[in-house]
Amino acid sequence: GESVGLHLPTLSVQEGDNSIINCAYSNSASDYFIWYKQESGKGPQFIIDIRSNMDKRQGQRVTVLLNKTVKHLSLQIAATQPGDSAVYFCAEKVSGGSQGNLIFGKGTKLSVKP
Amino acid sequence: EPEVTQTPSHQVTQMGQEVILRCVPISNHLYFYWYRQILGQKVEFLVSFYNNEISEKSEIFDDQFSVERPDGSNFTLKIRSTKLEDSAMYFCASAAASRDTQYFGPGTRLTVL
Repeated sequence: GESVGLHLPTLSVQEGDNSIINCAYSNSASDYFIWYKQESGKGPQFIIDIRSNMDKRQGQRVTVLLNKTVKHLSLQIAATQPGDSAVYFCAEKVSGGSQGNLIFGKGTKLSVKP
Repeated sequence: EPEVTQTPSHQVTQMGQEVILRCVPISNHLYFYWYRQILGQKVEFLVSFYNNEISEKSEIFDDQFSVERPDGSNFTLKIRSTKLEDSAMYFCASAAASRDTQYFGPGTRLTVL
């Protein structure tokens, strides 16, 4: 099991640099993946998603890459800004008729230095 | 832009008391969820709700928990007899369809003393 008071991996970047946040997901049957951003005291905010029939999807300043072979997901943020500072969670959803539950990863804290 | 809202933002209660956390999902959504996040830990699924019944629940969602959609707009989570370990942030989420993106509310911080 996990220890109480999980220590988050932290990524510290300079404003304007690109950020890459990685996530290893757990279930090979998962077919839908989402990145959420969580600022202090707020709920998870949807950033971008990708389905398992794709390996790359781009949004505004963000790109998600999916490698199903090694069960790895990454979020790339271009030209990182101070407002991007937050905890980023990947979440997966298992295929097969489930109504829903998302399985969240541990999170990575992104800190952007101005 | 439509959003999920939750009240109260912070609830303090004594151990053994009942609490009701309230959520107003996005208006055209049909699938509703509760998650919780203990301080410093991952977000954990509690329950999903569709068509006025529970679709799925986790092992956390024991007999002390219940959910209800009392009217066309509210979605509530009730904890009958709170325990210290129920202290957490509780997030409501909604989605238009079961395979669609879930949008989260700002959360209710529950503190059990």
